[in-house]
Amino acid sequence: KAGVTQTPRYLIKTRGQQVTLSCSPISGHRSVSWYQQTPGQGLQFLFEYFSETQRNKGNFPGRFSGRQFSNSRSEMNVSTLELGDSALYLCASGRTRTTGDETQYFGPGTRLLVL
Amino acid sequence: AQKVTQAQTEISVVEKEDVTLDCVYETRDTTYYLFWYKQPPSGELVFLIRRNSFDEQNEISGRYSWNFQKSTSSFNFTITASQVVDSAVYFCALTTLSGSARQLTFGSGTQLTVLP
Repeated sequence: KAGVTQTPRYLIKTRGQQVTLSCSPISGHRSVSWYQQTPGQGLQFLFEYFSETQRNKGNFPGRFSGRQFSNSRSEMNVSTLELGDSALYLCASGRTRTTGDETQYFGPGTRLLVL
Repeated sequence: AQKVTQAQTEISVVEKEDVTLDCVYETRDTTYYLFWYKQPPSGELVFLIRRNSFDEQNEISGRYSWNFQKSTSSFNFTITASQVVDSAVYFCALTTLSGSARQLTFGSGTQLTVLP
């Protein structure tokens, strides 16, 4: 069974640009969550999507947005990039979102560098 | 609010030594779930174990074992006879049933280096 895939794996952008990252969950999984990992702030929750609807959102500015398609694939977008957006962006896949005991499985991440 | 504390930022051991990674959590919920993930240099978070708040049994999986103690709000992870391949950052995480059920709260991680 294929794991979570994320594309691209590496990305270099300049300040002010926007970027779109993609995540394909494990087959049969319908929940996708996004996390940002930086040396200073650690792993922080961005948002969660289930059945094409955003179910939960972390404490990030509106420049961070996302969506989920009918095949459960998800994209996240960051507009007007800032230097502080440089991070590893991790996507997590889960079967459902009914309870907290569902294990989330993570992809390899996208490393974004903003210059 | 919930919180996970991993006080050990970095640990270095020599191969074949045993090592314990500490995790202390805070939550007001009576039902919660604890996780350990491993992050090798490649970046992917690899799931190791999930434990719910009603199951305090310790678990052993090969060289890995976990000690869950609700009385001290701790969920410690021990690697027996460590190997170089165990070198990675290890994260403890918590989620609960209330509110943001699917949001994992992570600790800051422990960088484990196993020297040959």
